[in-house]
Amino acid sequence: RKEVEQDPGPFNVPEGATVAFNCTYSNSASQSFFWYRQDCRKEPKLLMSVYSSGNEDGRFTAQLNRASQYISLLIRDSKLSDSATYLCVLGGSASKIIFGSGTRLSIRP
Amino acid sequence: EAQVTQNPRYLITVTGKKLTVTCSQNMNHEYMSWYRQDPGLGLRQIYYSMNVEVTDKGDVPEGYKVSRKEKRNFPLILESPSPNQTSLYFCASSLYGTGTYEQYFGPGTRLTVT
Repeated sequence: RKEVEQDPGPFNVPEGATVAFNCTYSNSASQSFFWYRQDCRKEPKLLMSVYSSGNEDGRFTAQLNRASQYISLLIRDSKLSDSATYLCVLGGSASKIIFGSGTRLSIRP
Repeated sequence: EAQVTQNPRYLITVTGKKLTVTCSQNMNHEYMSWYRQDPGLGLRQIYYSMNVEVTDKGDVPEGYKVSRKEKRNFPLILESPSPNQTSLYFCASSLYGTGTYEQYFGPGTRLTVT
């Protein structure tokens, strides 16, 4: 079983829609959780960290469910500029950082 | 401007010809790492460095070497490249290597080995 699993998509949704995707992980010792965004052929960039209590940044909401070992990302009122690949990232013991394969999101006008 | 730079951005080479991809960061970060990204496989860590003169293998180190003689630089060396090393390579740095800090990525190096 992969350490981090993401639905590769693509998710194709209309502008203004709400979209959500999950990321499941197998290592219960994982301590830090992040969502990164990667545009086509560009470098990944941090979108937001994910905290146990859940956190929100504008139209984006991230949640962590330790019991079921998954994190989620919800995007409300999606914009064309949200089209990208979203990477789930886990940090655990020193230096061990695991990237998911990413979920592709395409927003159509 | 805080950034991670990589050179070259694109490289086409032949099997067996040694090459070096440079990586430099200007944020005084202790932790640096190299990843390769292949379709369907995501980002896989090649090597990482917790600080100057401290390097260690990641998940896919075979065929690669690194060095960390200065804090800001972390070159990736392919002594004898092979076609299966054709990939998109990213260098990244973070303040510390505890897995809890944001990773800053360079713009990537697209390598083709024929």
